[in-house]
Amino acid sequence: GESVGLHLPTLSVQEGDNSIINCAYSNSASDYFIWYKQESGKGPQFIIDIRSNMDKRQGQRVTVLLNKTVKHLSLQIAATQPGDSAVYFCAENFGGGGNKLTFGTGTQLKVEL
Amino acid sequence: NAGVTQTPKFRILKIGQSMTLQCTQDMNHNYMYWYRQDPGMGLKLIYYSVGAGITDKGEVPNGYNVSRSTTEDFPLRLELAAPSQTSVYFCASTAYSGGATDTQYFGPGTRLTVL
Repeated sequence: GESVGLHLPTLSVQEGDNSIINCAYSNSASDYFIWYKQESGKGPQFIIDIRSNMDKRQGQRVTVLLNKTVKHLSLQIAATQPGDSAVYFCAENFGGGGNKLTFGTGTQLKVEL
Repeated sequence: NAGVTQTPKFRILKIGQSMTLQCTQDMNHNYMYWYRQDPGMGLKLIYYSVGAGITDKGEVPNGYNVSRSTTEDFPLRLELAAPSQTSVYFCASTAYSGGATDTQYFGPGTRLTVL
């Protein structure tokens, strides 16, 4: 089956730098994408989402970019802080009943002081 | 609002035992989901429900059962626990109106170990 995958399992950045987490998806029918943050021992927390009719969306310190041509999704975190250390998952919804999401395996972001 | 709550937080089962993982949401969401997350992996969908009285299988339903008698509650039942069911279980919910897809909100998880 088609799945969502991530390019890098671990990303280390210096505090204050910008972080970029990448995600490749293979289902061209996907119409909705979400980034989640998961801290150790907690459930996934919504960060930002984007629909397939958009190519960029900005939130507070975060930006999601969607490139449908190459089926690529990225999460940019500006001025990365120690509190950003977590595992980040992208998820896609490619339609069908139930509003179901397919998750990638995650990227561990480590912020170094 | 408490959001999505799950009980228990931790549980150790012996092989062959059964248990029910509880999930409750107070956001009046119509859609609810159960996922499992194995170490270092993403979430895999076990079962989901689009409303009271309606449930359907996800990607990995074997060994589990669910029911949805109310909008608020969506319990997950393990009948004969096996070591392969050792995992962290997450419940999620969303308000889906049949139009645009909406974000799923997650509970804190239940860490289950089967020995």
